[in-house]
Amino acid sequence: DAGVIQSPRHEVTEMGQEVTLRCKPISGHDYLFWYRQTMMRGLELLIYFNNNVPIDDSGMPEDRFSAKMPNASFSTLKIQPSEPRDSAVYFCASRDSGTGYTEAFFGQGTRLTVV
Amino acid sequence: AQRVTQPEKLLSVFKGAPVELKCNYSYSGSPELFWYVQYSRQRLQLLLRHISRESIKGFTADLNKGETSFHLKKPFAQEEDSAMYYCALPGKGGKLIFGQGTELSVKP
Repeated sequence: DAGVIQSPRHEVTEMGQEVTLRCKPISGHDYLFWYRQTMMRGLELLIYFNNNVPIDDSGMPEDRFSAKMPNASFSTLKIQPSEPRDSAVYFCASRDSGTGYTEAFFGQGTRLTVV
Repeated sequence: AQRVTQPEKLLSVFKGAPVELKCNYSYSGSPELFWYVQYSRQRLQLLLRHISRESIKGFTADLNKGETSFHLKKPFAQEEDSAMYYCALPGKGGKLIFGQGTELSVKP
């Protein structure tokens, strides 16, 4: 397996534009997480899914952020409209609860810059 | 509430010096704790988990339930150990909770 795949790797956009980040989890994993990484706040959990169903979105900063998981192999995180303070690295991670471990596997991240 | 605290944002040591990255946790019951490492501009990857009692790249971590700590240690730091280190534990509902992270800088 190629691991968790995120696209794009880098995104530069203007304030007010819509941004969509994409994630393909490891095949067979039933949990998917979206994290945001900044210098100030470290690694924050935004939202996570279990079997494609959102379980907890309390970390989503505001209504401008939304996430979907239409099937087991794909998820998106959308920011509309984007603001400069959204600039961060966004990580997707997945986990297989059937292994008995809670270890999560991370993608390479999407570095978002909003100017 | 489950919580992970890494009190140091930055730790700077010289090559060959001992390293200890601190992690304290708040958890009801018996926790399963992890250390993740992120080398420059790369993905986070699991370094070690406490239940395995393993040593990876010379790093070890012992769970101290009395002090609710899971500090990461290495007797002799190497320059290639320079990275961001995150302590983590599982939260309710299957999520993984991370600390703020500690940036380790090993100088030649």
